Formats: sequence, C-alpha cells, structure tokens
Amino acid sequence: AQKVTQAQTEISVVEKEDVTLDCVYETRDTTYYLFWYKQPPSGELVFLIRRNSFDEQNEISGRYSWNFQKSTSSFNFTITASQVVDSAVYFCALSDYRTGGFKTIFGAGTRLFVKA
Amino acid sequence: DTAVSQTPKYLVTQMGNDKSIKCEQNLGHDTMYWYKQDSKKFLKIMFSYNNKELIINETVPNRFSPKSPDKAHLNLHINSLELGDSAVYFCASSQASSYNEQFFGPGTRLTVL
Repeated sequence: AQKVTQAQTEISVVEKEDVTLDCVYETRDTTYYLFWYKQPPSGELVFLIRRNSFDEQNEISGRYSWNFQKSTSSFNFTITASQVVDSAVYFCALSDYRTGGFKTIFGAGTRLFVKA
Repeated sequence: DTAVSQTPKYLVTQMGNDKSIKCEQNLGHDTMYWYKQDSKKFLKIMFSYNNKELIINETVPNRFSPKSPDKAHLNLHINSLELGDSAVYFCASSQASSYNEQFFGPGTRLTVL
C-alpha cells in the first residue's frame, strides 16, 4: 500500500536556525513522484517541489534543499537560516503508478513554528 | 488573475441541508480534484476528474456528488449534510495527471451545525 509518513508533528525553531523536515514513503512501484507543499497560516496550499523516482539528485532552491534517498525511502526537506515567514504546515506527498496517476497521498503534515 | 477559484469561501449550514461548492480553473488543465482537510490538517483525496470523466472516487459517501460540466469546472454538491462533513474542502487542478504539480484553490470552510 502507498503511505507517506511525516513523523514530526510540530517543530519549533528560532529564526536563523536550520531545520529538517522528515518524510518517509512506501510504495511498491518503481515509477512514482514525490512532492512537498506548503500551507501557510492563510490556508492556501503551495507547491514547492516535485521529484520522480528516477532522479535522486538533490535539489537546492535558495534557502530550501531536498534530499531524496531511495535506499531509505526518504525525501527530506531542509530550510537553511529559517525565517518567520517559513512558519507553515508542510506536506510531503506521493503519486505512484499503481494509483493510475490520478491520486496523491499526503502525509499528515509537519507544523513548523519559526520564532523571531 | 486567480488560477483556481472556489466559491463560497465560507459555508455555515444546518444538519440535513444540501449545499454546493463551485470550482473553476483558468490554467487550461484537464485534471481536477476535490480534497477534504479535517481539523487536524489531514488532507485526503475525494475525487479526481480527467477530461470531465470521474477517475477516482475515494470511498466517499453517495451524499457527495461531483459534477464537471467542462474541463475548467468541477463542482461539489453535498446532500443531507452531517456534522462530520465540517472541514475545509480544496479544489485543485493539474495538467494530465497527479504526477504533475497541483494548483490548489483557496479552500471552502464548511461548518455544519
């Protein structure tokens, strides 16, 4: 069965600290896509990144970086030098071949508090 | 220019009533979705439509009936509302499939009294 686990329910950091949000996924498919979405306090969901199962290259976008490791079925997200505006709920998600490409499984989310 | 819009933003109603939520996207996508987010922020797929056809119905009660009059619209009608239906409902769209990034609407907060 497909599953996404975000074991950290809440994380609290002080501004400028680095923080890593963990994501572990389960799928039997060799073809799948992983995502991270951000939900700030205003409520909308914003896409951050997509990774396919054949591309294990890590990605960096400004203060954000992602570490995809198939060996441990993990797709972790690191925010460097966190800012108050990073406070949000972050969701890791999976869409795999078995679900026909029309179903995305979301993790339970990690709520990040960044204090000034 | 809003990419995915939903109306209304808030909906407060009594148990047993029927209500609808409308969703429109102007991105030219051919796939649209409805999600339910509960009070603990858990986000769950309800329906997926591709080219106006229902692809995924994630064991949602029959009281929920989505309708896609064209590729740009996906509406959700809910009959006989129950307390447990209280949640935030998100509409989303993507190009071709959920392998691509999804664009979400602002959400509709439904409160059933």
